Amino acid sequence: DAGVIQSPRHEVTEMGQEVTLRCKPISGHNSLFWYRQTMMRGLELLIYFNNNVPIDDSGMPEDRFSAKMPNASFSTLKIQPSEPRDSAVYFCASSLAQGTNTEAFFGQGTRLTVV
Amino acid sequence: AQRVTQPEKLLSVFKGAPVELKCNYSYSGSPELFWYVQYSRQRLQLLLRHISRESIKGFTADLNKGETSFHLKKPFAQEEDSAMYYCALITGGSYIPTFGRGTSLIVHP
Repeated sequence: DAGVIQSPRHEVTEMGQEVTLRCKPISGHNSLFWYRQTMMRGLELLIYFNNNVPIDDSGMPEDRFSAKMPNASFSTLKIQPSEPRDSAVYFCASSLAQGTNTEAFFGQGTRLTVV
Repeated sequence: AQRVTQPEKLLSVFKGAPVELKCNYSYSGSPELFWYVQYSRQRLQLLLRHISRESIKGFTADLNKGETSFHLKKPFAQEEDSAMYYCALITGGSYIPTFGRGTSLIVHP
């Protein structure tokens, strides 16, 4: 397995544009997380899916952010409209979330720059 | 709500010196604690977890429930240990890791 795959690796966009980040979790994992990493706040959980269902989206900053998981092998995080303060590295992670299998496996991240 | 605190944003040491990266948590139940590491230009990966009680790359961490701490230690730092280290917590019944803000470790030659 190639691990968690995110695309794109880098994204530069202008303020006001729509941005879509993509994630393919590890096959067989039932949990998927989106995190945002910044120097000031570290790693913040944005949203958590279990079996493709959003369970905890309390970390989603505002209505401009939305996330979907249409099936077990794909998830998107969308920002519309984007703002400069959204600039950060966005990580997707997945886990088996079963018994003692609690390790989260991370993707390479998408570095988003909004100018 | 649970919380993870890593008081140091940056820790700078010389090669061969002992290292201790601090992690404190707030949770009233029985937590599961982890240390994740992110080397330059690489993805975050698990370094160790308290239930395994093992030493990875010379690092150890002991869960101290009395002090609610899970400090990461290594007796002799190496240059290749330079990385970002995140302490994380999972609480009973949840599989959602809560991360601290991270500590950047720099090991000078």
